[in-house]
Amino acid sequence: GAGVSQSPSNKVTEKGKDVELRCDPISGHTALYWYRQSLGQGLEFLIYFQGNSAPDKSGLPSDRFSAERTGGSVSTLTIQRTQQEDSAVYLCASSLSPFTGQLGWNELFFGPGTRLTVL
Amino acid sequence: GENVEQHPSTLSVQEGDSAVIKCTYSDSASNYFPWYKQELGKRPQLIIDIRSNVGEKKDQRIAVTLNKTAKHFSLHITETQPEDSAVYFCAASKGSASKIIFGSGTRLSIRP
Repeated sequence: GAGVSQSPSNKVTEKGKDVELRCDPISGHTALYWYRQSLGQGLEFLIYFQGNSAPDKSGLPSDRFSAERTGGSVSTLTIQRTQQEDSAVYLCASSLSPFTGQLGWNELFFGPGTRLTVL
Repeated sequence: GENVEQHPSTLSVQEGDSAVIKCTYSDSASNYFPWYKQELGKRPQLIIDIRSNVGEKKDQRIAVTLNKTAKHFSLHITETQPEDSAVYFCAASKGSASKIIFGSGTRLSIRP
């Protein structure tokens, strides 16, 4: 079946502009994560959505970053007034659920990422 | 919150030798520890995971060990092959309905 998809694949923007990054998780996956990966660096946690629960926003680096998930499916990560240090690959991942007893319920399936470049 | 430290950041081993990557975590409530492999230009993929009720898990040439008392866990790759070259990430989570926090990654290179 279809995996996690993200759009756009590449985004070049000017400092100070706002950007929106989109993630389409695997159908039926209730958990959705956003991570940031700077060049050659690790996977920095940004935000986590689980079903209808309040999202865990503890990883958002500043109030310029926000995310929403509509209808428990598609998610949008918005970065306002972009800065050069925001340049990175933004990865979205989804997983099946909190514990359901099903094999692989907590495996993260990553999307291809959005490469953001802020000039 | 949870903090996961991983080392070494880079590792080069001769083909056929073993490789070991080590991680420590800070939150004693963490009970789920996955490892992901990211090949160049590709997205991370799960290769093995372990839960806190077991101390070791093996899958062919890879194994993970967990020491809950010391709050550290390790990935062992035996008989390394060129296709093992990648960046490996450890992670920790409190399990159901909790975020997964990753370490900083280890770039493993296999020398022919």
